[in-house]
Amino acid sequence: NAGVTQTPKFRVLKTGQSMTLLCAQDMNHEYMYWYRQDPGMGLRLIHYSVGEGTTAKGEVPDGYNVSRLKKQNFLLGLESAAPSQTSVYFCASRDRSNQPQHFGDGTRLSIL
Amino acid sequence: AQRVTQPEKLLSVFKGAPVELKCNYSYSGSPELFWYVQYSRQRLQLLLRHISRESIKGFTADLNKGETSFHLKKPFAQEEDSAMYYCALTPTGGYNKLIFGAGTRLAVHP
Repeated sequence: NAGVTQTPKFRVLKTGQSMTLLCAQDMNHEYMYWYRQDPGMGLRLIHYSVGEGTTAKGEVPDGYNVSRLKKQNFLLGLESAAPSQTSVYFCASRDRSNQPQHFGDGTRLSIL
Repeated sequence: AQRVTQPEKLLSVFKGAPVELKCNYSYSGSPELFWYVQYSRQRLQLLLRHISRESIKGFTADLNKGETSFHLKKPFAQEEDSAMYYCALTPTGGYNKLIFGAGTRLAVHP
């Protein structure tokens, strides 16, 4: 049981490049989330999804897009990367019952 | 506004000393409170949640609605407790979104 898997683990981009981060979960969870983690600010919610085909904005959605075409996958896209998007990105998932979120290992993204 | 405040960025103690990581929250309803831990280069893991009222790895946390606090405590710190600790809340009916505090780094010295 792999749980929540994020790919890639590391990436360096140049300003203006585009990139898609993939989150896959094998627990048949309904809800999925993307967070970014920055020093001194904890984790902040970017976008989330409450089911296949649905997405919603979180606390810091600007500059990001997401898609949930399949229940097990939640993609986070950066159309035109900016240095301010340098961060560690975490994906999480959970089911509809009263269980906590499960997190992936994170993706460390640097934008030069 | 919904907010979680962890006033200490770093808490440094010696092995065997008591530990208290502070967490205060701002929310008008009845949130669910959590403590997550992140060991070096590992993913976030749930440490405990207030509705479980259980002790994990010797840590406990009591929800004080009057003071809107959810402080994490351990009577005797161990070196393996060194990690980043995040307090978080889920607002009622919020699709279980987590609102995190900025985190406190706990360093336990031998």
